[in-house]
Amino acid sequence: AQSVTQPDIHITVSEGASLELRCNYSYGATPYLFWYVQSPGQGLQLLLKYFSGDTLVQGIKGFEAEFKRSQSSFNLRKPSVHWSDAAEYFCAVGAVYKLTFGKGTLLTVNP
Amino acid sequence: DAGVTQSPTHLIKTRGQQVTLRCSPKSGHDTVSWYQQALGQGPQFIFQYYEEEERQRGNFPDRFSGHQFPNYSSELNVNALLLGDSALYLCASSRTGGEDEKLFFGSGTQLSVL
Repeated sequence: AQSVTQPDIHITVSEGASLELRCNYSYGATPYLFWYVQSPGQGLQLLLKYFSGDTLVQGIKGFEAEFKRSQSSFNLRKPSVHWSDAAEYFCAVGAVYKLTFGKGTLLTVNP
Repeated sequence: DAGVTQSPTHLIKTRGQQVTLRCSPKSGHDTVSWYQQALGQGPQFIFQYYEEEERQRGNFPDRFSGHQFPNYSSELNVNALLLGDSALYLCASSRTGGEDEKLFFGSGTQLSVL
C-alpha cells in the first residue's frame, strides 16, 4: 500500500531564510510525486510534480523539489521564504486522480 | 474563467441525516474526484468520476455515493451521517488526456455533523 510521511507537523522560519520540508513515501512502482499548498479557507494548489526524468523539479512561487529514489524522499525547498508562503504544505503520491496525501506541514513565517 | 466551484461552503447536519454536496468542474475539464479532509489530516481519496461513471474508489463505505451529470458537474451524497463524517470535502477536476494533466481543487464544503 502506498503511504506518505511528513515528519514535521509544524515549522517556523524567519522571512528571507531558506526552507526545506521533508517528505518520505512508500510506493510499489515508480511514483508520481506532488507537492500541494493549502492556505486557510482555500483548496489545494499544485506547487510541482515529478513523473520521470530530471530528479530536480522546479515549481511555481520559487519552489523546487528533489526526488531521491534511494532515500524514498521528495523534499521541498525554497531559498528565501516570503511572508506569503505561510500555509500548510502537503506531499502526495499516486496517479493523477487518486492521490495519497501526507498529514501536512504547517509553515509559519516570522517577520 | 471560473475554477472549480463547490456548494454549499458550509453545512450543518445531525447524525443519521443525508447530505448532498455539489461541484462544478473547471471549464474544459471532464473528470471529477472527491476527497475528504478531516481536521489535522491530509485529504483522503473518496472516488473519481469520468463519463458519468465511478472509475476509481478509495476506502470509503457505501454510504458515500456520487453522480456525474452530462455537463460534467458532480454530486457527493452521504447517507446515515456519523459524527466522524465531519470534515472538509474537496472536489477536484482535471481534463483527461490533457498535455499537462493535473488536479485543480475547489475551496471545499465544510460539513459539521452534530
